[in-house]
Amino acid sequence: DAGVIQSPRHEVTEMGQEVTLRCKLISGHNSLFWYRQTMMRGLELLIYFNNNVPIDDSGMPEDRFSAKMPNASFSTLKIQPSEPRDSAVYFCASRPRSGGPNEQFFGPGTRLTVL
Amino acid sequence: GENVEQHPSTLSVQEGDSAVIKCTYSDSASNYFPWYKQELGKRPQLIIDIRSNVGEKKDQRIAVTLNKTAKHFSLHITETQPEDSAVYFCAASNRANAGKSTFGDGTTLTVKP
Repeated sequence: DAGVIQSPRHEVTEMGQEVTLRCKLISGHNSLFWYRQTMMRGLELLIYFNNNVPIDDSGMPEDRFSAKMPNASFSTLKIQPSEPRDSAVYFCASRPRSGGPNEQFFGPGTRLTVL
Repeated sequence: GENVEQHPSTLSVQEGDSAVIKCTYSDSASNYFPWYKQELGKRPQLIIDIRSNVGEKKDQRIAVTLNKTAKHFSLHITETQPEDSAVYFCAASNRANAGKSTFGDGTTLTVKP
């Protein structure tokens, strides 16, 4: 099992550019969580999906942020246009189907720098 | 919604001493309480968890206690070692809520050799 896969691992872009972060869930997991981590704000939940359906997006900071889950194993988080204050490490995490452990398995993260 | 508070924000101990990190939660419906360890530059990883039907759980040098009445839970690390140095996060979740976890702000633990 490869675990949760995120790409890219590092992204450096200029303000105003579109950024797309990608996440592949662990096979058999059906819940997907996107987090943002900064020194100032800690670990923030942005949005989560269950069975491909967005359940709670109240953590998405602005309309510039959007997330999709086009199929059961893949999700994207898009920032358009990006701003320097979006610089952070973005983690996705997946969770097994209900009835199993509640543990969330984190991906390695994408370190985003917006210049 | 759920609110999780974690204390202290930083903790420094001498190698071999014990470390205790405490968290409180607000939603009485929360029934699963994981603890994650995040080493510098790495992802958070689960180290121990406890469900609401259990008061204490132990795994070698780490243990977690839960007081449902008071809505607080604690992480205990005994015989600390330098490799225990990391940021520790507590979280609270409700299995009925698709496993959404609310995280504490983290505790930076430094174990001095």
